[in-house]
This record gives sequence, structure tokens and C-alpha cells, in this order.
Amino acid sequence: EPEVTQTPSHQVTQMGQEVILRCVPISNHLYFYWYRQILGQKVEFLVSFYNNEISEKSEIFDDQFSVERPDGSNFTLKIRSTKLEDSAMYFCASKTSGSYEQYFGPGTRLTVT
Amino acid sequence: AQSVTQLGSHVSVSEGALVLLRCNYSSSVPPYLFWYVQYPNQGLQLLLKYTSAATLVKGINGFEAEFKKSETSFHLTKPSAHMSDAAEYFCAVSENTGGFKTIFGAGTRLFVKA
Repeated sequence: EPEVTQTPSHQVTQMGQEVILRCVPISNHLYFYWYRQILGQKVEFLVSFYNNEISEKSEIFDDQFSVERPDGSNFTLKIRSTKLEDSAMYFCASKTSGSYEQYFGPGTRLTVT
Repeated sequence: AQSVTQLGSHVSVSEGALVLLRCNYSSSVPPYLFWYVQYPNQGLQLLLKYTSAATLVKGINGFEAEFKKSETSFHLTKPSAHMSDAAEYFCAVSENTGGFKTIFGAGTRLFVKA
């Protein structure tokens, strides 16, 4: 069964450093998403991406964040200058145009020290 | 904007007892509702989904949920709890406009006592 994959599974970085989280969505999906979950809290929407542009973003998704689909398979989330409060689990998700169900990846745990 | 409310951040049941996790949604249009389970340090696993085909939805691991429009509820149940059911459960609703994002509830942690 096709699945969303994410790399790395765990990333440790120092405050102020740039990080790129990578996702490979399911191949025939057209909508892509990033969510984050701070430890012990609920899953929060960050951004949705369709037709090579951001279709919606949350208040969390400020100028420090950016997304890109650099080729036909990868979908990335970049944090330019990480802060301690960016420490969280980041989930990528994708879906087809004909369904409301999103398929979630296993997540990348980001630890900012 | 749509929202999801989960009543009870923690629920504790005995093994073999009924599991009932409550979820209410707010939506002005027919919603698309989901329940996800998250085991410690793991990702999100879809338990079941409501997409207007049937009001009683059966999912994996013996869970089911009933959509009640009059109560704007989508409670999750399981007749007999098992120790392996101990996890965090999230109710979620998918928007049907814009970016079609998913909005999650705050989650309910289920404890199962032997």
C-alpha cells in the first residue's frame, strides 16, 4: 500500500540554524500539507500546498517557514532560523483531489537546543 | 471556521469495559470526520472516517463511531477495552473549502487498567 514517507525521523539542531524536513507524498496525490505537534499537545495545521503554490497557511507559518516541491516527488518544509519553541513533531500529509482523507507520514521529531 | 471538541483529556477504563470517547464538531456544512490513534512516540494512524455514506462507521481494532447530526457528535466506542488500546485518540474534521486542511481536537488519552 502506498504511504507517505518522511526523513529524517529525528533531527537535532542548534537554535538559529536552518533545517529542512523532507517528505515524499503518495505519487498520485495533488494536495500536500505540513502539521506540527508540540510534545503533549494537539496536532496543528501549518500549511497546505496545491498546484505549486500555498493554498492556505496558519498564523504559525510565519516568514521563518517556507515550503517547496523541488521536483516531482519531494515536498519540503524549511525553517530558516530555528527557535527553541520550534521543537515538535512535524507531520507531512497528502491527499488526492477526489477525497477528504489525508494520508499522514510517520513524522520528523525536531529538537532545537 | 470548523472546530472539534473532545470532552475529557483523560479517560480510564478497566480491561474488558466499554470505551467511550466523546467528540463534538461545529460545522455549517456536512462534515468529513475522522478518528486517529497515536501510540507513544509514533505517528497518526487512521481508525475510521465518516464521509456521509453511513452514520455508523466501523473502523480498525474493533472501534466504531456514530455520526449524530442532531447532536453534532461523532463519539468513538469499543465494546471491550484491551490493554493494547492505551493510546492518545484524536477526533478531526476536514474542511471542504480552501486548502481542505484537517482540524484536530485536543486529544483524549485512554488508560486501560488490568
